[in-house]
Amino acid sequence: QKEVEQDPGPLSVPEGAIVSLNCTYSNSAFQYFMWYRQYSRKGPELLMYTYSSGNKEDGRFTAQVDKSSKYISLFIRDSQPSDSATYLCAMISGGSYIPTFGRGTSLIVHP
Amino acid sequence: DGGITQSPKYLFRKEGQNVTLSCEQNLNHDAMYWYRQDPGQGLRLIYYSQIVNDFQKGDIAEGYSVSREKKESFPLTVTSAQKNPTAFYLCASSAQGGGPQHFGDGTRLSIL
Repeated sequence: QKEVEQDPGPLSVPEGAIVSLNCTYSNSAFQYFMWYRQYSRKGPELLMYTYSSGNKEDGRFTAQVDKSSKYISLFIRDSQPSDSATYLCAMISGGSYIPTFGRGTSLIVHP
Repeated sequence: DGGITQSPKYLFRKEGQNVTLSCEQNLNHDAMYWYRQDPGQGLRLIYYSQIVNDFQKGDIAEGYSVSREKKESFPLTVTSAQKNPTAFYLCASSAQGGGPQHFGDGTRLSIL
C-alpha cells in the first residue's frame, strides 16, 4: 500500500460545478498537508497549506483535513476552465524536510 | 518578486555527454530539492540539501550529481551514467522542515 493514494482521474466536470479532490494516507505521523496545482509544462504551484484537522478557505478553494480518517480533500467552488490542471496532494511529518506526494488528479473543466 | 528560476527551459543531451541544469532561488530558503517527473509516475526525489555545503541522496540519485556552494544555488548534473535521462526536472525550495515546498517551472531534458 502506498503511503499516499490519489485517484489519477481524469475528472471531467462542467463549468460552475463544485469539484472535490481527495487523498488518503496511511502514515499517522503526517502533520502538514499541501495541495498544489500543476499546469502542463509548468512547475507545481502551492495552493493550500494546512496543519490541523478542519477546514481552511481561500477564495474558491477549501482544504479539508480529517486526521482521524487519514483523509484530505480540496474543494473548488464555481469551477472555471482555467482550473483545468493536475492537482497534487502532499503531506509531511513535523520537522521532516521530505514530503510525500500523491501522483496527482487530472481535472478538466469544460465550458 | 521572490521565486525559483530554472534554466534552461529545454535541454538536449547527446550520448555520453554530461549536462547541468541550473536552479536559483531568492526566497532565502535553507533547503533545496531536485525532483524528476515522468508521466504517470509522480514526483521522485533525486537529491536534497538542507544547508550550504551539505546534500543527501534521494530515491533515485544514481547517475546524477549536485553541489551546494551558495544558499541561492543548487545545480544538478545529469551524467552519462544516467541511461534514461529524458524527463521533466523540477527544482524546489523550503524554508524549514515541515514547511511547504515552492517549485520552479522545470527543465525538460531530451536525448538527441
